[in-house]
Amino acid sequence: KNQVEQSPQSLIILEGKNCTLQCNYTVSPFSNLRWYKQDTGRGPVSLTIMTFSENTKSNGRYTATLDADTKQSSLHITASQLSDSASYICVVSEGGATNKLIFGTGTLLAVQP
Amino acid sequence: NAGVTQTPKFQVLKTGQSMTLQCAQDMNHNSMYWYRQDPGMGLRLIYYSASEGTTDKGEVPNGYNVSRLNKREFSLRLESAAPSQTSVYFCASSARGTENTGELFFGEGSRLTVL
Repeated sequence: KNQVEQSPQSLIILEGKNCTLQCNYTVSPFSNLRWYKQDTGRGPVSLTIMTFSENTKSNGRYTATLDADTKQSSLHITASQLSDSASYICVVSEGGATNKLIFGTGTLLAVQP
Repeated sequence: NAGVTQTPKFQVLKTGQSMTLQCAQDMNHNSMYWYRQDPGMGLRLIYYSASEGTTDKGEVPNGYNVSRLNKREFSLRLESAAPSQTSVYFCASSARGTENTGELFFGEGSRLTVL
C-alpha cells in the first residue's frame, strides 16, 4: 500500500533555532512531492513542489530536499520564527493511471520564545 | 483576492439531518476538490470535479454528494449526517485537471460536528 510517513510527530524548538522534518514514502510510481504548511484552524498552504529530478528547492527560510532513490524528503527550517508554529504536511503524488495525492499526517512544530 | 471561500465555518448537526457545504473560488481554476481531515489521518479526497460539468468519486465518497454549479462553485451535500462524518472539510482548487498535476489552493475549512 502506498504510504507517506512523517517524523517526528511533534517538535518543540526555541525561536531562532533550525530544525529538520522528515518524510519517508513508499509511493510508486512517483510523480512529485509537496510540502504544505497548515496553521491551526486554517487550510494548508503550499511551500514547495518537487519532481523526482529536483534534489533541493527553497522558499525563503524553508528548504526541501528529495532523494528519489531512497524515497526520502526533508524540510529544513532556518532561523525559526514564532510564525513557523504550524503543522507541516508531506504529500506525495502517484504517477501513472491513478493520479492521486497521498497525504502524510503532518509534523506539529511549536516555536517557543 | 479571496481565493477559495467556504461556508459555513462551523456547523453542528444531529444524526440524520442534511446540510450543504458551499465552496467558491475566484481564481478561474478548472478543477475543484473536497477533502476531509480527521485526527491522526492525512487528508482524504471525497469528490472532485476536473472541469465544469464533471464530477468523480475520490477515496471516501460514501454518504456524500456533490454539485459543480458553475466554474466557480462546488458544493458538498450530506443527505443524512452520521457521527462518522464529524470532521473538518476542506475545499481546494487547481488550475489543471488532476489533483497531482497542479498546485492546490485550499479554503479555510468547515468544521462539522454530528451528534
